[in-house]
Amino acid sequence: AQKVTQAQTEISVVEKEDVTLDCVYETRDTTYYLFWYKQPPSGELVFLIRRNSFDEQNEISGRYSWNFQKSTSSFNFTITASQVVDSAVYFCALSEAGYSTLTFGKGTMLLVSP
Amino acid sequence: DAGVTQSPTHLIKTRGQQVTLRCSPKSGHDTVSWYQQALGQGPQFIFQYYEEEERQRGNFPDRFSGHQFPNYSSELNVNALLLGDSALYLCASSLGGGSGTEAFFGQGTRLTVV
Repeated sequence: AQKVTQAQTEISVVEKEDVTLDCVYETRDTTYYLFWYKQPPSGELVFLIRRNSFDEQNEISGRYSWNFQKSTSSFNFTITASQVVDSAVYFCALSEAGYSTLTFGKGTMLLVSP
Repeated sequence: DAGVTQSPTHLIKTRGQQVTLRCSPKSGHDTVSWYQQALGQGPQFIFQYYEEEERQRGNFPDRFSGHQFPNYSSELNVNALLLGDSALYLCASSLGGGSGTEAFFGQGTRLTVV
């Protein structure tokens, strides 16, 4: 069975600091997808990124970057120069081949103070 | 373009009662998934509907049932409510529901059972 572990329950940083959110996953499939979602206080999950298991290229989108390493089953998320608006709960999720359903980690609450 | 809409946003029920939650998917989407998110936890998959049929189900008792209508909207029904059913219920819509499909989430329904 698949599993996603986000060991960091809560992270507090000061604005402009860089922060990395860790995600470790378990799956028996060779084909799978990894996601990151952001959940602000409003409750809606906002899609950030999707990677498939065959694409290990790191990705950068503005202040966000993702490091996918199959060798360590990790898919870490870094926010550069954090801002107060980045404060939210961030979830890493996994879906396996043939299904679109998501298995989520427990989330990491990021608090960015001015 | 309206995103995923859920109703109601909040409700309070008494133990033993029944509740119905509603979801309208994003325009053009034909697949609806429901998730339960307990406080401080990641969302857990309840079930997914496609073409008016339950296509996949998570580890939830039969008290949880659903329906999808011809216009792709969906309902989640929970019978014989327990205190432990208190949670944020999230609806997600996608197109086709295949592997790695991006899911769009609504803001959720906050259910409190007293």
